[in-house]
Amino acid sequence: DIQLTQSPSFLSASVGDRVTITCRASQGVSNFLAWYQQKPGKAPKLLIYAASTLQSGVPSRFSGSGSGTEFTLTISSLQPEDFATYYCQQLISYPPESTFGQGTKVEIK
Amino acid sequence: EVQLVESGGGLVQPGGSLRLSCAASGFTFSNYWMSWVRQAPGKGLEWVANIKQDGSENYYVDSVEGRFTISRDNAKNSLYLQMNSLRAEDTAMYYCARLTVTHAFDIWGQGTMVTVSS
Repeated sequence: DIQLTQSPSFLSASVGDRVTITCRASQGVSNFLAWYQQKPGKAPKLLIYAASTLQSGVPSRFSGSGSGTEFTLTISSLQPEDFATYYCQQLISYPPESTFGQGTKVEIK
Repeated sequence: EVQLVESGGGLVQPGGSLRLSCAASGFTFSNYWMSWVRQAPGKGLEWVANIKQDGSENYYVDSVEGRFTISRDNAKNSLYLQMNSLRAEDTAMYYCARLTVTHAFDIWGQGTMVTVSS
């Protein structure tokens, strides 16, 4: 099974800060890596797919990069509505069994 | 509007069964792989199961293999999760999600809560 490890697990930041979250895979997943944002009591929301493609409607301050085993999600200028928990997720072609990282909670400093 | 709506959650005793449903609308349901993802209270997301467009293939996380069955009815635009031999550790919010060709979950339902407790 492919494991995803996110770092950090918790992040305290201020509005306007540049924030970077890392996701490391236990084996290569090509670019089959996605990022989600989840707010309390809500379903997750897709932000980035295929490692670096912005989902329609997602603000351009969000960006993703990486390939193989190391990936990053960057928020260029943190906004009040960005305080949430972020998850990475992988699904290689076959068998199509997915895993999520453990999550990174972004809180207000 | 593209939408997924789950139902069927509730309180069940350990060893019991429950069937979750997910009604899809606003897109051609039969064109997509579909999935169930769960989240235990205060915990992270866990993928549970996937099913192919025609129902001919399905895959499960090890912890539910042999106890849960994912199925679909394309004529009814519906996805199901039959859960048997439920355990306390199955307590979670269960989400259905649409799986895209780029291997991401782009549409999620609001979730249905399953509580396994005596």
